[in-house]
Order: sequence, then structure tokens, then C-alpha cells
Amino acid sequence: DQQVKQNSPSLSVQEGRISILNCDYTNSMFDYFLWYKKYPAEGPTFLISISSIKDKNEDGRFTVFLNKSAKHLSLHIVPSQPGDSAVYFCAASGGSQGNLIFGKGTKLSVKP
Amino acid sequence: GAGVSQSPRYKVTKRGQDVALRCDPISGHVSLYWYRQALGQGPEFLTYFNYEAQQDKSGLPNDRFSAERPEGSISTLTIQRTEQRDSAMYRCASSDGLAGQGYEQYFGPGTRLTVT
Repeated sequence: DQQVKQNSPSLSVQEGRISILNCDYTNSMFDYFLWYKKYPAEGPTFLISISSIKDKNEDGRFTVFLNKSAKHLSLHIVPSQPGDSAVYFCAASGGSQGNLIFGKGTKLSVKP
Repeated sequence: GAGVSQSPRYKVTKRGQDVALRCDPISGHVSLYWYRQALGQGPEFLTYFNYEAQQDKSGLPNDRFSAERPEGSISTLTIQRTEQRDSAMYRCASSDGLAGQGYEQYFGPGTRLTVT
């Protein structure tokens, strides 16, 4: 039973437009949520995170929104650039848990 | 500064052989994690260490899998009597602290294991 779900395996967006990647979770004990970006033949790279005490965290073109009541978070990329094309993983953890629990990923393609 | 490194990057082995995968974490990082990633999936937790102590090995699939980090730095994941179902990307990550306390993890490039 997946605790972190990314229901869209892929997303295609035009350059300059907004990309919205979604993630749902089931475990209410999760305290931290992270987004990782992965290019082919490389390991996942940390992108942005949010604590459960916040509902928004922004870093340049990237903003993560957290809706705790809905157990939902989203990553917004504005404006999208072709270099953003990658697989994006949502991950979560909480309390004394050491490891991250990942979703299956969403492949984003940004077309010029 | 150097990131997390893993060796070998690719390993092809015959069923029944033992393999050892190495992870060299970011210098000074307290925590080290092993994950396994199948095609089309996210990384799946195997085990993690704080310093040299193995804190959680609940993700290891069976007793053919073991890991050690004897000096609190480099770690080795060993798979004994490999089976075809062990074929996957094995990823190592390190961090300054626990994921549950907000520390992000830095991943290595992975070792692609193929068991024939």
C-alpha cells in the first residue's frame, strides 16, 4: 500500500507556462515533504522541501504548496523551461523516521 | 566538494554469485541510506546508518542482503547468492541528520546491478 502517490506518470507543458506536479499521501504522521528532480543516468537531486507547519514554500521559480487536510502537496514551476524536463519525485518522512518514502515519480517534458 | 560516490556504476553477475556494492558518502555526513529503485518506480528504502550503527534494516528484502558501515564513513551493501529478481538500481544517499527531522538526503549516481 503506497503511502506517497503520484498519480500522473507524465506531464507535458509548453515553455514559459506553469507546470503543476501533484502528490498525495496517506500517513498523517509525515512532517516533512520534499521534491527531488532526476535527470537520466544521474541520482535524484534535492529541489525543495516543506515542513508540515507551513502551507507554502517558495524558491525562485519553484513553489511547493501543502494542504494537510487533503493530504496533498503540489510543486509549481513558473515559468517552465526546457531544462526542467526530468522526472520529479515527491518524498515524505516524519518523526524519528530516518528514511524517505518516495512516490513513483512524474516525468515532466517542457517543450520549446 | 565531492558528492556521494558509488562503485561500481554497473555490475553484471551470474545468479548465485555474491556482490558487494560500495558507497562513499559526503564527508562528515552522519547518516547513510541505501535504497533500491526499479524501473518506473521511486527509490525504495532498504536500510540506514547513523555513524557506524545500523539503525533500521526493515527494508532489506531477506537475509541475503546485509550492509555495514564499520568506521562510520564508507558503507558496503552485500547481496549473497544473487537472484534475477535482485536486478535493480541500488542507490546510496547521505545526510546531516534524519529525514524525519527535515534533513535532505543527497544521492549518489547508483549502481546498476544485473543478475543473469
